[in-house]
Amino acid sequence: DGGITQSPKYLFRKEGQNVTLSCEQNLNHDAMYWYRQDPGQGLRLIYYSQIVNDFQKGDIAEGYSVSREKKESFPLTVTSAQKNPTAFYLCASSIAPLTGRETQYFGPGTRLLVL
Amino acid sequence: EDQVTQSPEALRLQEGESSSLNCSYTVSGLRGLFWYRQDPGKGPEFLFTLYSAGEEKEKERLKATLTKKESFLHITAPKPEDSATYLCAVQTRSGGSYIPTFGRGTSLIVHP
Repeated sequence: DGGITQSPKYLFRKEGQNVTLSCEQNLNHDAMYWYRQDPGQGLRLIYYSQIVNDFQKGDIAEGYSVSREKKESFPLTVTSAQKNPTAFYLCASSIAPLTGRETQYFGPGTRLLVL
Repeated sequence: EDQVTQSPEALRLQEGESSSLNCSYTVSGLRGLFWYRQDPGKGPEFLFTLYSAGEEKEKERLKATLTKKESFLHITAPKPEDSATYLCAVQTRSGGSYIPTFGRGTSLIVHP
């Protein structure tokens, strides 16, 4: 079955620690995205990538980093510089967003909690 | 600045009580408007895409419509299983491509 997988489902971070969230897709999509969701805030874009080895900052990139070494994978690292990391993190993918009509498909999410 | 506003923030209905959710947008050159359903603790699930004013799409008890300024998601005779957060999004131009802008969602609870 084609889809997007995210792991782990829950992640606990200690203060000062970097943690990495995994996102893998087998939809052969060119574009991948990371969102952060807080209660009452909707989805806010952290980073996105439209091709391998290239990515752009979204609205709230500070304290996060990403890589795109393979088409199927787009891991997100939450660094110690992110002072309020507790949130629900969603990964999405789509075909190349060249027309504005491309649908995004989402993974099941990772909930990050700070110890 | 491109914006998407959803109302109401929360809606409580009795089973069978039809209603509508609103998504208003200000975006230059709308390419597509997207509706998603999100259950608690899960990722959003795609429902509809609308491309031009006057367009309508239906799926079971849901019907989405689009005008030049807003979209409505009509829910006819809802059931408790329709309880979820409904998100709307538009694609906004960024350089040579498009990135999505989401509204904050409407949380729908349908009581039996």
